[in-house]
Amino acid sequence: SAVISQKPSRDICQRGTSLTIQCQVDSQVTMMFWYRQQPGQSLTLIATANQGSEATYESGFVIDKFPISRPNLTFSTLTVSNMSPEDSSIYLCSVLGLAGGTDTQYFGPGTRLTVL
Amino acid sequence: AQKITQTQPGMFVQEKEAVTLDCTYDTSDPSYGLFWYKQPSSGEMIFLIYQGSYDQQNATEGRYSLNFQKARKSANLVISASQLGDSAMYFCAMRVSGGYNKLIFGAGTRLAVHP
Repeated sequence: SAVISQKPSRDICQRGTSLTIQCQVDSQVTMMFWYRQQPGQSLTLIATANQGSEATYESGFVIDKFPISRPNLTFSTLTVSNMSPEDSSIYLCSVLGLAGGTDTQYFGPGTRLTVL
Repeated sequence: AQKITQTQPGMFVQEKEAVTLDCTYDTSDPSYGLFWYKQPSSGEMIFLIYQGSYDQQNATEGRYSLNFQKARKSANLVISASQLGDSAMYFCAMRVSGGYNKLIFGAGTRLAVHP
């Protein structure tokens, strides 16, 4: 499976500011995904990022709040804009790999964000 | 509506014993995939095992096996010979149809392995 890294691993931010999270993969992948995991909750898909096209956002998530870039097949960024304490979450990126004969999502280590 | 339900918020098991984590799903699509992930306290999500809706046999991967009962729409994870390092959150997920390989996750079960 691909090796996925995220930067930063954690951060503490002030409300009203923005944070950009980077996701780097050691091999080329077609699809990358961004998830949010609020404290004590499950994962929720924010958007799907394909290289060369606009990200596809899930219901409840908008580009102005969570702009995504996908400049090439190994890299993506997610920006959390105009943050509030409700944005405190773990943000995870994932990529598709092959396991058991099917496309499987492999996750990065996550970015723990705390907004004060 | 497509949905994953994990009814056990927490489970505990004695080291070296087997444990079953429950997962039921709801979908009207004939083709779907079911996944289990482990999330230790570090926060990373670790892929464990996959079961396809058309697979005739239950999936196995080392100490992990998936008890797939299609008619009951259940996909329970069985961990044999539990180890202390198995203590973590476990999430069941379903790949939905319609492209994009989107995953829907259940609420998760926290497993504690006691020595």
